[in-house]
Parts: sequence; C-alpha cells; structure tokens
Amino acid sequence: IQMTQSPSSLSASVGDRVTITCRASQNINSHLNWYQQMPGKAPKLLIYAASNLQSGVPSRFSGTGSGTDFTLTISSLQPEDFGNFYCQQSYSTLWTFGQGTKVEIK
Amino acid sequence: QVTLRESGPALVKPTQTLTLTCTFSGFSLSTSGMCVSWIRQPPGRALEWLARIDWDDDKYYSTSLKTRLSISKDTSKNQVVLTMTNMDPVDTATYYCARGIVVAGPYMDVWGKGTTVTVSS
Repeated sequence: IQMTQSPSSLSASVGDRVTITCRASQNINSHLNWYQQMPGKAPKLLIYAASNLQSGVPSRFSGTGSGTDFTLTISSLQPEDFGNFYCQQSYSTLWTFGQGTKVEIK
Repeated sequence: QVTLRESGPALVKPTQTLTLTCTFSGFSLSTSGMCVSWIRQPPGRALEWLARIDWDDDKYYSTSLKTRLSISKDTSKNQVVLTMTNMDPVDTATYYCARGIVVAGPYMDVWGKGTTVTVSS
C-alpha cells in the first residue's frame, strides 16, 4: 500500500492553522498513524487509528479521515512544532510510511 | 517506563551481513498484542519500515527487502535481533526499533533513539 503526503514542505507562522494530507493507494479504513520527527531525533507518535490523540500530545494536534484520505491538523502552530511529519498505514501486515512533510516556522 | 535501545556495528563492508539488536524494557514480548518493528532512515530521506515480530512469533518483512532480512526474538533477554544480508552502500541509514501495539491501531508508540550504520569498504 503506497502512502502519498502533501505538501512535501510548508512554511507557516506561529499561530497559523496547518493541515497535512495523506492519501492511501487503497482503502485502509482507519488504520492510519501520524508521527513527528524533529531533526536528529527518533519519530514520536502523535495520532493513532486516524483520530486518537496519543497520551501526552498537545490537543492542538488532531487527525481525521478514513478510507483513503486523511488529514493531520495543527490548530495553532507553536515554535516547537517544526520537523518532519509522517503518516503510516497499518491496515496491511506490511506497514508503509508516507514520504514526509517538512514543517518550517517562518 | 518503556524503553528500547538499538545496538550493532557502526560500519560494515559491502556484501557483509548486518546484525542489529534491540534491547527493551518495560514490557514483555510474550504479552498478547505486542510487537517490535525495525525501521530505517537513510540520511535526509524518509522512514522505511523493514520488519516486525509479534508476541506469537509471527514475522513480517518489507516486500522489497524480504529476501535479505531475518527477525527473531529472545523473550527471556527482552531482545529482538534483525539481520540483513549482502549489505550495500545504499543501506547506509539510521536504524530504529519500536514497540508496536497490534491489538489497537496497530501503531508504534515507543521508539529507540536509533543506531547509525554506514556501509563502506
């Protein structure tokens, strides 16, 4: 299953609403996870099963979608929200990631 | 507290076999619904899922790498071992292991810090 994210990169200001989309090449129901990776660090789970906020993750992060189209939204971008964001499908037993979206703070 | 730590050689030669060990604590891989996955990331590139081993010893491999990969677990030592044969410079990457929760999601909720492997003669 191929995962396609858009945009590949974006630059936004603190306080902006940011949306990242992820499209699956086939129906994956709600088996979609989102991770944030800061430079030089391991990825961190943000959202699991499309819309469930991982414990300890700020409520400004949210996820929606099912089937083939998914969205990660940051309601009010904060200075610490830079980095790369990846979607990952777990519908198939062979997991796959999107190519990533780089978020920069203006 | 769940932690995972990757270990292995920092440098391997082309055609050699890479052996990486993931040593974890805070959970048991004999617990129903648990798994450990390996993921890699070449410099400046995206994450690539490699393999997964479940609590019941089911194993899954990336389609593109399945002929070169082998994953195993030692529940008594809380370790998961990944071997990758016939290493090539394109396999230069940071290799991560992560705990997975299979019964919900599934998803990978805790990751190790990663270990960097360079393939060069």
